[in-house]
Amino acid sequence: EDQVTQSPEALRLQEGESSSLNCSYTVSGLRGLFWYRQDPGKGPEFLFTLYSAGEEKEKERLKATLTKKESFLHITAPKPEDSATYLCAVQAFAGGYQKVTFGTGTKLQVIP
Amino acid sequence: EAGVVQSPRYKIIEKKQPVAFWCNPISGHNTLYWYLQNLGQGPELLIRYENEEAVDDSQLPKDRFSAERLKGVDSTLKIQPAELGDSAVYLCASSFGGAVAFFGQGTRLTVV
Repeated sequence: EDQVTQSPEALRLQEGESSSLNCSYTVSGLRGLFWYRQDPGKGPEFLFTLYSAGEEKEKERLKATLTKKESFLHITAPKPEDSATYLCAVQAFAGGYQKVTFGTGTKLQVIP
Repeated sequence: EAGVVQSPRYKIIEKKQPVAFWCNPISGHNTLYWYLQNLGQGPELLIRYENEEAVDDSQLPKDRFSAERLKGVDSTLKIQPAELGDSAVYLCASSFGGAVAFFGQGTRLTVV
């Protein structure tokens, strides 16, 4: 069974204090790994897709990386507006069709 | 371009009553998903459509939940009768060809 584990569950940073969020996964036949941002009361907002080990994607203060067993979301010099829950999801083949499994998310709070 | 549209945004019903949620996906997206999200958890797939066909409904509680996607566009998710444990956020998402899924704002259901 596919498993996605995110850590830490919650992270509190001072504005400008860089850190990383982790997403470890156990899946056979990985097709892609997705990062989403979710604000309270809203649906997840797509950030990145990573397809193969060694791949990196960047957007403003966020950088996502992928290895064969985990992905990191690096946040450089975060601002209060980066406060949100960050979700990781893996897409794999299961039973002849694609399946997406989400982690439980990391709740990030950036304090001014 | 309009995103995924869901209605209603909020719904409060008494237990044992029926409830329905509606979703309009992004134009041209052939894949539609219904997810359930409990507080502090990641989204969990209920059902996935490829055009009009439900290709993965293994996690849909079929004794009380039903869904349809007429003409391969809009979709409706129904619960009858609702139970207290059904209180959650119901998310609709769509994608083209099973690629990145884009989510709607969700419907927050409260069963009292």
